[in-house]
Amino acid sequence: EPEVTQTPSHQVTQMGQEVILRCVPISNHLYFYWYRQILGQKVEFLVSFYNNEISEKSEIFDDQFSVERPDGSNFTLKIRSTKLEDSAMYFCASSVVEKLFFGSGTQLSVL
Amino acid sequence: AQSVTQLGSHVSVSEGALVLLRCNYSSSVPPYLFWYVQYPNQGLQLLLKYTTGATLVKGINGFEAEFKKSETSFHLTKPSAHMSDAAEYFCAVSERNYKLTFGKGTLLTVNP
Repeated sequence: EPEVTQTPSHQVTQMGQEVILRCVPISNHLYFYWYRQILGQKVEFLVSFYNNEISEKSEIFDDQFSVERPDGSNFTLKIRSTKLEDSAMYFCASSVVEKLFFGSGTQLSVL
Repeated sequence: AQSVTQLGSHVSVSEGALVLLRCNYSSSVPPYLFWYVQYPNQGLQLLLKYTTGATLVKGINGFEAEFKKSETSFHLTKPSAHMSDAAEYFCAVSERNYKLTFGKGTLLTVNP
């Protein structure tokens, strides 16, 4: 079965640094998403992306976050200046219709 | 606004016993409902989904769930637990097909 691929699996960074989380969605999918899960909490919606633009974003997705699909295959999440509270598992997902396929996640640790 | 409540953060069953994981939802429109499973160090895998039609939905690995509108519930069941079912299970609701709101998850432990 096709799968969503995320790299790296674990990212450690210093507070204030920029990080880029990378995702390769399933090739024929049209909708792309980022979710995150802070340890012990719910999986939370961050942003959805369709037709090369953000279609919806949550309150969490403030100005320090951005998404990009730079080359038609990769889908990235950038955090410009990381904070301690950004430490979480970040999941990328893609879909054609209502069935979302999730990647295995990137565990971001901000020190 | 949509929301999901999963009753019980941890459920423990014996191998061969019935699995029942509870999920209640709130939605302002007819919802789409999902159950996802997360095995250690892996992503979220779709177990089953309800969109329209038959209210009893069968998924992978012998799981099924029943949409009960009157009770705003979508409980997940499996007649006989297997050791490989040990994982975290997430119920989710969507009002617009793509933005999922997840519950806090239920950790299922299966005892030999």
